[in-house]
Amino acid sequence: DIQMTQSPSSVSASVGDRVTITCRASQGISNWLAWYQQKPGKAPELLIYGASSLQSGVPSRFSGSGSGTDFTLTISSLQPEDFATYYCQQANDFPFTFGPGTKVDVK
Amino acid sequence: QVQLVQSGAEVKKPGASVKVACKASGYSFTNYGLNWVRLAPGQGLEWMGWISPYNGDTRFAREVQGRVTMTTDTSTSTAYMELRSLRSDDTAVYYCARDGGSRAGDYWGQGTLVTVSS
Repeated sequence: DIQMTQSPSSVSASVGDRVTITCRASQGISNWLAWYQQKPGKAPELLIYGASSLQSGVPSRFSGSGSGTDFTLTISSLQPEDFATYYCQQANDFPFTFGPGTKVDVK
Repeated sequence: QVQLVQSGAEVKKPGASVKVACKASGYSFTNYGLNWVRLAPGQGLEWMGWISPYNGDTRFAREVQGRVTMTTDTSTSTAYMELRSLRSDDTAVYYCARDGGSRAGDYWGQGTLVTVSS
């Protein structure tokens, strides 16, 4: 199985900050990488698919990059509604494993 | 609009089985795969498996293989996930999510809380 790691596990930030989260796959996954945002008590929401494609309706302050084994999610200017947990997920091969998550909280 | 509506919360005893339903609307059910994902208390998202409503093909995570069955009823556009031999660590919110064609979950159900307790 492909293992996914994320760093940091948590980050404290302020509104307006630039936040970067990294995700690494244990083997190459081309660009089969998605990013999700989840808030407590809510279903996850898709932010990025194909490593860098912005899901319809998602604000442009979210961006994704990377290919192969190393990927990045960037929030260019953190907004109050962005405090949440973020997960990457590989979809190159079954099982479609998730990273452990990165919690973005208030500094 | 695309909607996935899941069945209600369940409380089960260890060793029992649970079957969660996910009713799809607003799109052609057989054109998109469905993933099942769970979130246990204090844990991260865990992918459980995938089913093709088109041909019934399935793939499962090792952690649940042998205990899980995923099926679909195309006449009602409903997917089902049955988990058997429940343990306390199966306590979680279970989600269905449509595979939007890019192998990513673009629409999600609201979640079904399954509590396993004696």
